[in-house]
Amino acid sequence: GAGVSQSPSNKVTEKGKDVELRCDPISGHTALYWYRQRLGQGLEFLIYFQGNSAPDKSGLPSDRFSAERTGESVSTLTIQRTQQEDSAVYLCASSLGVQGGYEQYFGPGTRLTVT
Amino acid sequence: SQQGEEDPQALSIQEGENATMNCSYKTSINNLQWYRQNSGRGLVHLILIRSNEREKHSGRLRVTLDTSKKSSSLLITASRAADTASYFCATTHSSNTGKLIFGQGTTLQVKP
Repeated sequence: GAGVSQSPSNKVTEKGKDVELRCDPISGHTALYWYRQRLGQGLEFLIYFQGNSAPDKSGLPSDRFSAERTGESVSTLTIQRTQQEDSAVYLCASSLGVQGGYEQYFGPGTRLTVT
Repeated sequence: SQQGEEDPQALSIQEGENATMNCSYKTSINNLQWYRQNSGRGLVHLILIRSNEREKHSGRLRVTLDTSKKSSSLLITASRAADTASYFCATTHSSNTGKLIFGQGTTLQVKP
């Protein structure tokens, strides 16, 4: 069974451009999460999707950030008009559910560098 | 925003010694989890302890949880060079949402 995959693994973009990051969760996992990790820091929660429920967007740092998920499969995180402070590793995770506490399985991340 | 703090921020020990890392958090929790991260990329889940549990073991790992002090510790016994990594604690809120709130992490170096 494949794990969580993310693409691209690295992305260099110019300030002001839009970027799209992709996450393929483990098949059958109903919950999908996006986190951001700045250099030398812990992970910051951005957004999560759980089944057909409305996503929890409480961690998105600005309206330049948005995410979509198609059913219980692929998710894309979009950052519009990128800024240098957006440079970070963006990590996606999935889990079997939410209630009661489930292990989250993380992808390898996308390293975003905004020049 | 981060809600947890970990100490020490960095720890360097000799192979065979034990390593203890501590984590504190601020809100009431449903569970607390420990993750390991190698080379600043994907995280690996180590252990989950629920709010009604006090201690849990998994191989060379021992985790304790003190909800009255809002703190947890991770003990790695008989450390190996391969244990060199960053270790993070993460909590889920008692409202039972799935999102994890991470601490800043402890960087562990095990010298052969």
